[in-house]
Amino acid sequence: DVKVTQSSRYLVKRTGEKVFLECVQDMDHENMFWYRQDPGLGLRLIYFSYDVKMKEKGDIPEGYSVSREKKERFSLILESASTNQTSMYLCASSLYRTGVPQHFGDGTRLSIL
Amino acid sequence: TQLLEQSPQFLSIQEGENLTVYCNSSSVFSSLQWYRQEPGEGPVLLVTVVTGGEVKKLKRLTFQFGDARKDSSLHITAAQPGDTGLYLCAGPPAGNNRKLIWGLGTSLAVNP
Repeated sequence: DVKVTQSSRYLVKRTGEKVFLECVQDMDHENMFWYRQDPGLGLRLIYFSYDVKMKEKGDIPEGYSVSREKKERFSLILESASTNQTSMYLCASSLYRTGVPQHFGDGTRLSIL
Repeated sequence: TQLLEQSPQFLSIQEGENLTVYCNSSSVFSSLQWYRQEPGEGPVLLVTVVTGGEVKKLKRLTFQFGDARKDSSLHITAAQPGDTGLYLCAGPPAGNNRKLIWGLGTSLAVNP
């Protein structure tokens, strides 16, 4: 089975901090995705990557950046955390560029105070 | 705008009841996936339907893809408390396989 591991289940940070969310997958997938999930808004794509050192903006990239130095690891960076970035963050990987299907980690519930 | 509308948004039923949830669009999709997300966890893939009119069964869960590939349904027979969760549908629109569209989900609670 595919295993996608997110570094933290719960995280509390302060406004203005730089926040790193880490995601590692063990199935040699080239395609990795970062989403945030909010009540009433569903899953929204922040960034995705089709290969090492490659990244593309999703639907809501503002305030975020990503890093993919190794195939198995995809990091999401909040450059200067704000309270409106309080959310559930989900990382996913996929064998296919279409993202069909996707394998998700358990999520990081991030609170920005 | 290509949307996937899921209904109902919330559903609370008693153990043993049957239910159907829907995933509808005005656009054609190459395929549709159904995921279940339990509280505090990430979504887990249940099934992918690809062919118009396709029916897939997973134990007590029956998934159907509409003939025109614009909609899908999930029917659960004799629901159990373990079926509780958020059911999400998602898929790539036909002709745009680089974009995955997500529904907002149906939150199901099955009470013992």
